[in-house]
Amino acid sequence: GDSVTQMEGPVTLSEEAFLTINCTYTATGYPSLFWYVQYPGEGLQLLLKATKADDKGSNKGFEATYRKETTSFHLEKGSVQVSDSAVYFCALMNTGNQFYFGTGTSLTVIP
Amino acid sequence: GAGVSQTPSNKVTEKGKYVELRCDPISGHTALYWYRQSLGQGPEFLIYFQGTGAADDSGLPNDRFFAVRPEGSVSTLKIQRTERGDSAVYLCASSLNPLYEQYFGPGTRLTVT
Repeated sequence: GDSVTQMEGPVTLSEEAFLTINCTYTATGYPSLFWYVQYPGEGLQLLLKATKADDKGSNKGFEATYRKETTSFHLEKGSVQVSDSAVYFCALMNTGNQFYFGTGTSLTVIP
Repeated sequence: GAGVSQTPSNKVTEKGKYVELRCDPISGHTALYWYRQSLGQGPEFLIYFQGTGAADDSGLPNDRFFAVRPEGSVSTLKIQRTERGDSAVYLCASSLNPLYEQYFGPGTRLTVT
């Protein structure tokens, strides 16, 4: 079945460090791919998305590129801030509009 | 405007009891989703409504779980004969239609003792 595998955490970085959170997926057809973020004490929010191969989603300095050849959608940010501390979830929506989420990666950024 | 709301925020119940969890989606959103999130896991899809009908209920774990959305707005997730393994955070999300962003509610934390 369809699934998402993402890098396990927790991840701890110093402010201004480079961030990569790996995400790979398994799906038939051409799913849409998403990154959701959950800040402490808040609900899940969409961070960025890509709906077809080679699309790049970006928001708040975060980027992810839909790579069909490697079935990946890795999240990157060039310079993290303390306010980026949160749990990040990779997700896919398949052609049947079903959503599958990864297990989440906790990020802590220290000053 | 108002976001997705869920009530109650917390529910503690005894094993074997019946519970109802409510979701109020964003006004005008036709698509509504229920998820279950266990500790340390990502949200797990349960059921998806398009309007009043359940378009996909393949994620419901067994026949103790049932959900309704009679007027195409508010939805209720119903769990019969609760078991300790049902303990989790139940999330609701809505979207303008399935191709658009999902907006999540804060969740209901269910604890079965």
